[in-house]
Amino acid sequence: NAGVTQTPKFRVLKTGQSMTLLCAQDMNHEYMYWYRQDPGMGLRLIHYSVGEGTTAKGEVPDGYNVSRLKKQNFLLGLESAAPSQTSVYFCASSYNFGSEQFFGPGTRLTVL
Amino acid sequence: GENVEQHPSTLSVQEGDSAVIKCTYSDSASNYFPWYKQELGKGPQLIIDIRSNVGEKKDQRIAVTLNKTAKHFSLHITETQPEDSAVYFCAASMWGSQGNLIFGKGTKLSVKP
Repeated sequence: NAGVTQTPKFRVLKTGQSMTLLCAQDMNHEYMYWYRQDPGMGLRLIHYSVGEGTTAKGEVPDGYNVSRLKKQNFLLGLESAAPSQTSVYFCASSYNFGSEQFFGPGTRLTVL
Repeated sequence: GENVEQHPSTLSVQEGDSAVIKCTYSDSASNYFPWYKQELGKGPQLIIDIRSNVGEKKDQRIAVTLNKTAKHFSLHITETQPEDSAVYFCAASMWGSQGNLIFGKGTKLSVKP
């Protein structure tokens, strides 16, 4: 099992560009999450999904959109990137709310 | 909503010494408290967790203690080794409910050989 995988690993964008980060899990988990990690800020939840076709806002959702068209995939989109979105993005999945979350390796995004 | 405070933000110990990281939480309904280890360039990985029906749990050199009355829990690492150097995150949630995991801001542990 690959667990949770993220694509791409690194990306540099110019202000105003758009991009999509892909997360995939092979553990048949219902719940999936997108976090951002900034120095000294810990892990902050952007959006999450409780099942295929569902999404919900987390702590810092502004500027991001998500989709969960397939159970195994969770996409994070930036429509118009801003320098404040420079961060490391982690995807995670779990089989239940509040249970152990399995994290992907992260995507380092730089917005110039 | 739940709020988790974690201290210290950085911790440096000599190899072989013990390390203790402490967290407090605000929501008395929280009943699941995991600890994650994040090595450089990797995603966080669960190392130990505890539920509110127990006060202490051990796994080799690591242990977690929970004080529900005071609403705090701690991670203890004994006989530290250089490979223990990492960022450690505590978290709290109501297992199985609508509440997500709420993470502390992390502790960077450095173990000096």
